[in-house]
Amino acid sequence: GENVEQHPSTLSVQEGDSAVIKCTYSDSASNYFPWYKQELGKRPQLIIDIRSNVGEKKDQRIAVTLNKTAKHFSLHITETQPEDSAVYFCAASMSAGKSTFGDGTTLTVKP
Amino acid sequence: DAGVIQSPRHEVTEMGQEVTLRCKLISGHNSLFWYRQTMMRGLELLIYFNNNVPIDDSGMPEDRFSAKMPNASFSTLKIQPSEPRDSAVYFCASYLPPGARELFFGEGSRLTVL
Repeated sequence: GENVEQHPSTLSVQEGDSAVIKCTYSDSASNYFPWYKQELGKRPQLIIDIRSNVGEKKDQRIAVTLNKTAKHFSLHITETQPEDSAVYFCAASMSAGKSTFGDGTTLTVKP
Repeated sequence: DAGVIQSPRHEVTEMGQEVTLRCKLISGHNSLFWYRQTMMRGLELLIYFNNNVPIDDSGMPEDRFSAKMPNASFSTLKIQPSEPRDSAVYFCASYLPPGARELFFGEGSRLTVL
């Protein structure tokens, strides 16, 4: 089955700096790569996603890049703010819909 | 729409007791996923249904776990008998294939087995 690895497990940045989280996946049939943000005690919520026919997608301060050949994708957050502090999960899925999640990255943005 | 609704939000029980977690899907969604979240193992997929039919239950840890979807909008996850290692937050999530791929998670059910 699919295996998703996510790095780093923890990330601490100063407010205003950029943060980058990287994920690799194993199954070349995966074609959908979402990123979820989970605040403490809350549910995971989608913040951005990318499909395999696209190399990059941006939404305001967040962007995701995908390298299908290398089977890796990354989340980029620019101009970080304290409210960006949360656990971020990457995931990979195929058309059948089952999503395999990475282990999560705890991002702390220090004011 | 109220979103995916889970109950109970918190459950504390003693080892050996039966636990039933409930999930109501978003109206019109036809795929449902049960995930378990722990610090050690992250978000693990237990089982998922499509149009009320279980598609993949390979993540169900053992026979003590069972899940049903008696109708298009409701599902239960049962643990019998429960054990302390079952303590976790259990999320259900739904989405509407084939075009939409975003998973909508419920608030989760935090289970503590003493």
